[in-house]
Amino acid sequence: EAQVTQNPRYLITVTGKKLTVTCSQNMNHEYMSWYRQDPGLGLRQIYYSMNVEVTDKGDVPEGYKVSRKEKRNFPLILESPSPNQTSLYFCASSSGIPYNEQFFGPGTRLTVL
Amino acid sequence: RKEVEQDPGPFNVPEGATVAFNCTYSNSASQSFFWYRQDCRKEPKLLMSVYSSGNEDGRFTAQLNRASQYISLLIRDSKLSDSATYLCVVTIIYGNKLVFGAGTILRVKS
Repeated sequence: EAQVTQNPRYLITVTGKKLTVTCSQNMNHEYMSWYRQDPGLGLRQIYYSMNVEVTDKGDVPEGYKVSRKEKRNFPLILESPSPNQTSLYFCASSSGIPYNEQFFGPGTRLTVL
Repeated sequence: RKEVEQDPGPFNVPEGATVAFNCTYSNSASQSFFWYRQDCRKEPKLLMSVYSSGNEDGRFTAQLNRASQYISLLIRDSKLSDSATYLCVVTIIYGNKLVFGAGTILRVKS
């Protein structure tokens, strides 16, 4: 089954404790991205990657890191999480250019205390 | 000003009603346009792309007006299952980015 998976689905952590949210897709998509969704603000792009070893900042990259060492994986790293990073996070992928349909993962609900 | 703006609603309509949503975008370099549907706190899923000539998919019709920089979604004969948040999405040709509107909530009631 073609899908985007994210882990963990739910996470409660404390300020400053490094964490990684994994994202993997099995559709051989080139384009992958991370979003956060907050009430009233919609989805905002954090980082995106056009292909392996190619990453770029989205609209809200501060406090986040990403890597794209393999085509299928695009982990999101929070080196020192803070309460304002409490949010619902989605990973997405699409074939080729980002103008194609975006396939989203199920989301990760993160709470930073 | 937000790059993509939508009326947040909620739109409360009875079954069988016709409802229309509008979305405005500010960047004239916008390249492609989409409507996504998001059920409560689940992942967004593509509903339909929006083409310059307008396009229809069953009960759903999407229109694009480049001159006025807005897109619209019309839902005819609303079903209970249409209740969701509808997200307007615009791609910006420079920077390879997608911009999402905050969404419009639709509630269809029996």
